[in-house]
Amino acid sequence: QVQLQESGPGLVKPSQTLSLSCTVSGGSISSATSYWSWIRQHPGKGLEWIGYIYYSGSTSYNPSLKSRVDISVDTSKNQFSLKLSSVTAADTAVYYCARVSGTSWPYPFDSWGQGTLVTVSS
Amino acid sequence: DIQMTQSPSSLSASVGDRVTITCRASQSIRRYLDWYQQKPGKAPELLIYSASSLQSGVPSRFSGTGSGTDFTLTISSLQPEDFATYYCQQNYNIPWTFGQGTRVEIK
Repeated sequence: QVQLQESGPGLVKPSQTLSLSCTVSGGSISSATSYWSWIRQHPGKGLEWIGYIYYSGSTSYNPSLKSRVDISVDTSKNQFSLKLSSVTAADTAVYYCARVSGTSWPYPFDSWGQGTLVTVSS
Repeated sequence: DIQMTQSPSSLSASVGDRVTITCRASQSIRRYLDWYQQKPGKAPELLIYSASSLQSGVPSRFSGTGSGTDFTLTISSLQPEDFATYYCQQNYNIPWTFGQGTRVEIK
């Protein structure tokens, strides 16, 4: 069963770049029927989809964040990563990585990491 | 963006009750609708995909119906472990969007 684990700094200063990685275990990030996604949840609030990447490097982003987001993949490490630039306090949230996979597109988020809280503060 | 509106925002119910949560999309999303359960401090978990397909390992007391703009998640007999927040999510159009959540609390 695939497992995902987020890692990265829990505190980022305003105007800097938030960088997180997600390590995939129990399965290959190069699976033809899987995409890899980032989702965030502001404290006490709902869920916001950030974007996804395919192992080939093809991406799709939420237009509301697209100018600041970069999602990349490293198949040799079975990892994918999120960079969010020019952060403000509004980017304080729990960040989840998730697998997008299923039998017919569009796939659901069928496996999630435990989430990591990132606080933007000086 | 497609807006997803859940109702109610919260509800109180007893063990054994039948619980129904609705989700309405701001435009037709065909059957591209998934349901997730989230417990405090935990990541969401997939319950239902494509409006009515039960994810492997999810108890059969959970079911989903609907198409177009109106969808329903039903828990046929509420169990203690079902007290959580439930989210619907559309993957018909980018950006994929979630409902605001429905908190199911103990009565």
